[in-house]
Amino acid sequence: GAGVSQSPSNKVTEKGKDVELRCDPISGHTALYWYRQRLGQGLEFLIYFQGNSAPDKSGLPSDRFSAERTGESVSTLTIQRTQQEDSAVYLCASSLLVGAGGASTDTQYFGPGTRLTVL
Amino acid sequence: SQQGEEDPQALSIQEGENATMNCSYKTSINNLQWYRQNSGRGLVHLILIRSNEREKHSGRLRVTLDTSKKSSSLLITASRAADTASYFCATSGGSYIPTFGRGTSLIVHP
Repeated sequence: GAGVSQSPSNKVTEKGKDVELRCDPISGHTALYWYRQRLGQGLEFLIYFQGNSAPDKSGLPSDRFSAERTGESVSTLTIQRTQQEDSAVYLCASSLLVGAGGASTDTQYFGPGTRLTVL
Repeated sequence: SQQGEEDPQALSIQEGENATMNCSYKTSINNLQWYRQNSGRGLVHLILIRSNEREKHSGRLRVTLDTSKKSSSLLITASRAADTASYFCATSGGSYIPTFGRGTSLIVHP
């Protein structure tokens, strides 16, 4: 079946512009996670969804970042007034099951990521 | 939140040799997963090992888990050039979001 897809694959934007990144999880997956990965670094957790609610937004780095999810389907990560430090690869993952507090009880399947470059 | 930290940060070996990477974490976990990442893009799941398991195998991969030492190791036997990638461990347990370390960058020379 289809895996996790993300769009766009690459996005170049000017400082101060808003961007929207999209994630289509695997059908039926309850949990959806967003991560950020700066060059040569590990994955930085941003937010996770259980269904369409986001119990934990603690990883969002500032109020310029927001995310929403429609049911157990598509999620959009929005970055307003982008800054150069926002440049990174944004990765989305989904999993079939999620435990209390977002603990992963099952394999996370990752999308290919969106490479964001803020000039 | 708990965090897995991989060691070494970088590993360079010849094709045919074995590669061993380690992951240490700080608090109790429900499971630990290993992922591979090629060229800084999407991660590919390799193995999930639960806290009540000590060893798992998948093809040329062998993962061990020592909960008393809060550590795990990933062994790739008979490495190939195609194994060149970054390898991450992700720990998950209790109410914690799965967290990833910085990864081990493996280079396998043909």
